[in-house]
Amino acid sequence: DTEVTQTPKHLVMGMTNKKSLKCEQHMGHRAMYWYKQKAKKPPELMFVYSYEKLSINESVPSRFSPECPNSSLLNLHLHALQPEDSALYLCASSQGHSGDHLAADTQYFGPGTRLTVL
Amino acid sequence: GNSVTQMEGPVTLSEEAFLTINCTYTATGYPSLFWYVQYPGEGLQLLLKATKADDKGSNKGFEATYRKETTSFHLEKGSVQVSDSAVYFCALSSTGNQFYFGTGTSLTVIP
Repeated sequence: DTEVTQTPKHLVMGMTNKKSLKCEQHMGHRAMYWYKQKAKKPPELMFVYSYEKLSINESVPSRFSPECPNSSLLNLHLHALQPEDSALYLCASSQGHSGDHLAADTQYFGPGTRLTVL
Repeated sequence: GNSVTQMEGPVTLSEEAFLTINCTYTATGYPSLFWYVQYPGEGLQLLLKATKADDKGSNKGFEATYRKETTSFHLEKGSVQVSDSAVYFCALSSTGNQFYFGTGTSLTVIP
């Protein structure tokens, strides 16, 4: 099973709302990722969690706040977003490695949450 | 540094035509190479991968060979179908947990 699930599938929110995106995987993967994808563009990396610790933050504005409650779950909390934040938000996971020898990993993607900010 | 250069689209082919989408890369170390496919309104699906030089990845009639000497990983399919219409992304992963994506190539197959 190589499934990553994401909820909700679609989300419409106002600029003053607070909402959360959820991602779940049961493959025993220890690395999880959030990406943002605009139309006709490749995914852009936002955050990486490795062994439940934030390891990469690609200078994402603080209105996006990631959380990794356990090794299977990844959340993205949204607050005071702007219309330009409207995009497809993709979660991915990979096996992950500990220690110094990080090999190249295969990432498995969820179906995404289509976010519209009004 | 690491980067992927992918053939510009869009590509339009007739059903049963031969498909090639070019992908070249630059990388430090020994990267793994991937092709992902994204159907309209969906996330990215792993199509195939290769983890070392001369490996051939294949799936659903698609193939790509990891060529270290030409730093390439071109995607090919002998006979495309309408259902293959999608956006195709070439990507590489080197040491660490980061992926580097190409810009994507949109493929439309007409009956």
